[in-house]
This record gives sequence, structure tokens and C-alpha cells, in this order.
Amino acid sequence: DSGVTQTPKHLITATGQRVTLRCSPRSGDLSVYWYQQSLDQGLQFLIQYYNGEERAKGNILERFSAQQFPDLHSELNLSSLELGDSALYFCASSVDVGGPAYNEQFFGPGTRLTVL
Amino acid sequence: AQKVTQAQTEISVVEKEDVTLDCVYETRDTTYYLFWYKQPPSGELVFLIRRNSFDEQNEISGRYSWNFQKSTSSFNFTITASQVVDSAVYFCALSDRNAGNMLTFGGGTRLMVKP
Repeated sequence: DSGVTQTPKHLITATGQRVTLRCSPRSGDLSVYWYQQSLDQGLQFLIQYYNGEERAKGNILERFSAQQFPDLHSELNLSSLELGDSALYFCASSVDVGGPAYNEQFFGPGTRLTVL
Repeated sequence: AQKVTQAQTEISVVEKEDVTLDCVYETRDTTYYLFWYKQPPSGELVFLIRRNSFDEQNEISGRYSWNFQKSTSSFNFTITASQVVDSAVYFCALSDRNAGNMLTFGGGTRLMVKP
């Protein structure tokens, strides 16, 4: 158990709908990352938040948005869903106290989104 | 830009065989980190190892070993005496300073170990 929790575990919805995925980082971790794993694109980085602020952005669609709340949990909002958005969405967290050392990312179990 | 290539999309071996999973990376940074993750059929990502670019020493952990060669930009993973429980998708990943802390993953190698 990595200490990162994600809800829901599975989500089935229809095209055009909007969903929210939730992530709670490990206790003490300030950074949250979202990754998407799809058959077409593989595992790719979407976005990172650090202590409530957006820090880095990857290949995230404009229909997708995220935020990190004062209690450090994060939500990924996916709107106007398309069939191609069906994927496994992972959240990861790390401490990110700064400095040259790399800060380990711990992955949650993922949310499997199916768009019908 | 950083890139990770895992040329082997699928490997099938018989239990107790040794198997090596290849990983080739590209980065312009001199400081970077390399990783291997395991994704079993249940779907979670399990961290296996991290290596930084200044440490080319090979590592062994039980039946697992990793060979890091900067000269060929490779970070290969060997499982000795494979077991059925090793069946999973294995991902190699890279993070460099220019990318912050984000990980760039390879396409993954599906390993099937048959009894």
C-alpha cells in the first residue's frame, strides 16, 4: 500500500458527460501528479500540483482540468468525455522539499474510466 | 526532450529461465533519474528501482538485477530464474531536471512466464 488513495476505483459514464476523479496524497506529501494510461498513448504525464499551485503541465487536454485543495487532496475533472478518454488514471504524490535530490513518486491504485 | 524506448513489446519465457528487458533513453540533461516499475494484472504500479545518472554501479536485489550503461544510454533489467508471479507489464521511466519531477515512461514490456 503506497499510502495514496484514489476514488472511485471504477467509473462508467457516457460520451459528453463530466466526471471528477479524486486523489488523496500520502501524509506529508505536497506534490500531486496525474498520469493517464491508455491503449493509444501509453502512460503519460498530465499535470502536477505543488502545495495548491500548478507546477507542471504535460499532454493534458483543454477539456481536462485539475486542482489541489488546502488539505492537499486533488481532483481531476474531465468534461465533454469522448470514447478515447477511456483509460486508467493514476495519481502519484511526493514530498518535494526541494534541493537536488529526486523525490520519490508513490502511485495510487488508479481509477479506471470507461466512456460508453 | 526526453524519451524512453522499450523495444520489446512482449516476451514469453518458461519458468526458471532468465530474461532481460531492454530500456534505452534519451535526454540532454546530465542529471537524470531512471526507474523501473512493475504493473501486475491487478493494475497498480509497483516501484522497483531508481538510479541517478551519477551512479553507474549495477544493482542486484534478489532475483532482480539492473545494468546501467551511460555509454549506450541503456538501463536494462534482468530477472533470474523467472517465476509465474513475475508475469506483468514492466515500465522503464526517466526524469531529468528540465522536466522537474515528472516521469516519462516507455511503452512497457509485457512479460509472460509460463509454468
